[in-house]
Parts: sequence; C-alpha cells; structure tokens
Amino acid sequence: SYELTQPPSVSVSPGQTASITCSGDKLGDKYVCWYQQKPGQSPVLVIYQNNKRPSGIPERFSGSNSGNTATLTISGTQAMDEADFYCQAWDSSTVVFGGGTMLTVL
Amino acid sequence: EVQLVESGGGLVQSGGSLRLSCAASGFTFSNYWMHWVRQGPGKGLVWVSRISYDEITTNYADSVKGRFTISRDNGKNTLYLQMNSLRAEDTAVYYCTRLHTSSQFDSWGQGTLVTVSS
Repeated sequence: SYELTQPPSVSVSPGQTASITCSGDKLGDKYVCWYQQKPGQSPVLVIYQNNKRPSGIPERFSGSNSGNTATLTISGTQAMDEADFYCQAWDSSTVVFGGGTMLTVL
Repeated sequence: EVQLVESGGGLVQSGGSLRLSCAASGFTFSNYWMHWVRQGPGKGLVWVSRISYDEITTNYADSVKGRFTISRDNGKNTLYLQMNSLRAEDTAVYYCTRLHTSSQFDSWGQGTLVTVSS
C-alpha cells in the first residue's frame, strides 16, 4: 500500500519560515493536499492541488510538489500557526494521509 | 454555510455495533462524494470509507472491509456508517467529510467519538 512519510515534529521561531515535508514514491505525479489541525478541532484544508490556497487561508501558506517530496511552507510563521499538519494524496481509489507533523512555534 | 454534524458515537463492547450519522446542510448533498475519516487517541488521520454521490460506488480501507458499511440517504441529506464487529483498535473520533470536485476534503464535521472496550 502507498505510504506518505512526514517528520513527527518541526520547530520554528516566530517570524521565520517553517517547512514541512511529505515523502512518497513518485509523489510529484500526484496532487497533494495539506490540512491543519489544532488541538480539539477538526482538520482545515490549507493547500490543495499541491499549491492552491482555499479562500480564507493566509498567503503565508504555500505548497510545492516535485519528485518524491511535497513541501508545505509557512512564511512569517505566527504563534497561531502552531498545530498538527497532515499531507494527503490519492492512491488509485484510496485516500492516504501522512502520519502528521507537529509544528511548534517557539 | 456548509455544515456537517456527526452523531451516534458512544461506548460499545468489543464485538458490538454502532451506526454513525452525518447530517449535511448548506449545500446540495446529492452532488458530492462523501467520506469517513477517523483519528485514534493521540494518533493521525486515517481514511475509512467513501461513497459516490449516487450511492453506486463504495470503497473501504482494508482495516474495516467486511465490518463497516457506508451508505447515504440523499432525500434526508444524511451519510451513515454502520460499524459491526467492533474492535478496540476502532476506538477513534470519526469525521465525515465532503470531497470537493478537485479531490480535496473542503469541509469536515466536528467528529463523533467511538470507544470500544475490550
């Protein structure tokens, strides 16, 4: 079965750039989405189709996908961005999520 | 405003059954594929099942195949998940989520907690 691998945790200082990776075999051939989940809340879509932002998502969130790795980048990270982030892709008719990355802003 | 409201979770013994519901509003429910995604305590998101807008196509994760059944009632704008032969590892918050036509989950419910005691 297809797997997506994320680092368990990433730390960033306020105002700096955070990068969260998601790796999978030939992932660049697929569309990748990213979801943000804060404690006790439901996931929220922040990036779809590799690099598109839904309405209401700040411009500091961006995405890329090439080769075997997709990356979520948060520029000018704010304390409110602290959350778990999950990448997601499709493998045939099955949905696959990465294991999640805890972003700490300190 | 799109709203998805799950219900039906609770505490059940191993081997028991539960039926989850997800009431949808604020959009034309019959136009969208719908999915169930779960999240174990302190764990990540795991896809469970999906159903086409016209109820014709259903798919399941290997871990629930043969035990869970997804269905929908477009007249009632409601999605269901019948869960049988429940196991401790099925303990999780279950979310219903709408699949946008561009293949991303653009709306999520608040989730309903299922706890399976062994």
